[in-house]
Amino acid sequence: DAKTTQPNSMESNEEEPVHLPCNHSTISGTDYIHWYRQLPSQGPEYVIHGLTSNVNNRMASLAIAEDRKSSTLILHRATLRDAAVYYCILRANSGGSNYKLTFGKGTLLTVNP
Amino acid sequence: DSGVTQTPKHLITATGQRVTLRCSPRSGDLSVYWYQQSLDQGLQFLIQYYNGEERAKGNILERFSAQQFPDLHSELNLSSLELGDSALYFCASSGQRGYSPLHFGNGTRLTVT
Repeated sequence: DAKTTQPNSMESNEEEPVHLPCNHSTISGTDYIHWYRQLPSQGPEYVIHGLTSNVNNRMASLAIAEDRKSSTLILHRATLRDAAVYYCILRANSGGSNYKLTFGKGTLLTVNP
Repeated sequence: DSGVTQTPKHLITATGQRVTLRCSPRSGDLSVYWYQQSLDQGLQFLIQYYNGEERAKGNILERFSAQQFPDLHSELNLSSLELGDSALYFCASSGQRGYSPLHFGNGTRLTVT
């Protein structure tokens, strides 16, 4: 699986935007970029995914660099409930049905009131 | 609510014993994944099943086994338990596409004493 690099931790203030970066310089043309988050004592939760174009959903936005070697997860207004570990994961889509996710250490986001 | 149900929520057992963890996937999802999360190892992929067949294997010990039944629920069997097997065990399910997100259950917390 191609590797991603994320900062170990980031801090934000409540109601401010948060930009969580992810580098994936060895991404292949068929890899999707997935973001998950894990709140304390819960299972990971899907946030957003994309392939080439920027994506928006009710939880967040995903900005993908033109060369696809990096991406940024954007939380438009952080709340205390957004405090979690955020994982950036490349997911192969090379056919077949093996679509496992390989989690790294992620970024621990702290949100200050 | 992810739609993935895991039972039991907590399990306390002694070394050398055998336990079975159960997972019911979201309605319509054919893939089931098992992950182990311990404090020092992060989220580790164990095994994936797709429509009853094993599709991918990760760092799963020989003492561990899994299966997916015709009704698509899955069971993870852990035998000859050791103290180091104490961890959170998560099940996830997904649809058939490579970009289909994984939906995780809330996990089973296993404590081996």
